[in-house]
Amino acid sequence: DAGVTQSPTHLIKTRGQHVTLRCSPISGHKSVSWYQQVLGQGPQFIFQYYEKEERGRGNFPDRFSARQFPNYSSELNVNALLLGDSALYLCASSPDGVNDWSPLHFGNGTRLTVT
Amino acid sequence: AQSVTQLGSHVSVSEGALVLLRCNYSSSVPPYLFWYVQYPNQGLQLLLKYTSAATLVKGINGFEAEFKKSETSFHLTKPSAHMSDAAEYFCAVTGSTASKLTFGTGTRLQVTL
Repeated sequence: DAGVTQSPTHLIKTRGQHVTLRCSPISGHKSVSWYQQVLGQGPQFIFQYYEKEERGRGNFPDRFSARQFPNYSSELNVNALLLGDSALYLCASSPDGVNDWSPLHFGNGTRLTVT
Repeated sequence: AQSVTQLGSHVSVSEGALVLLRCNYSSSVPPYLFWYVQYPNQGLQLLLKYTSAATLVKGINGFEAEFKKSETSFHLTKPSAHMSDAAEYFCAVTGSTASKLTFGTGTRLQVTL
């Protein structure tokens, strides 16, 4: 079975630009979460989506947005990129994400570099 | 709010030696605790989780962790280190659902011959 897939794997953008990151969850998983991992730090929670609805938001500015599609895949959008947005963006899926304790399954991430 | 503190950003052990990675938590509600491992250029893989059942939790690759409420700790151990254990290890906590984790800053484990 395919795991969580993320695209692209690497991305270089310029300050002020916009970026879209994509994530396909494991088949059958309905919940997708996004995390930002700055170099040398632990991942920080950005969003959780379940059944196309936002179920949680971390402490990130409104420049960050996301959505989930009917096939449960998800996009993370970041507007007006700043140098500080350079990080590894991780997507994780789980079967439910609301009422169960199934562990998160992480993708390998998208490495975003903002110059 | 929940948080975790990982003591020691870098730990070095000899192959075959005991691995001990420390994690202390702070939580206003009964916590659910996790250990994840991250190999270079990869995502995170779950090692083990504590969800209020047995206090001694066994995970994959020979790792285990013990939940000690009195010490607010959830340290990760492995009796005998292997070269393949070299990686970054993250402790995480949540009080709500398993999707909204708060991670520690990580401990890089180096295994030497």
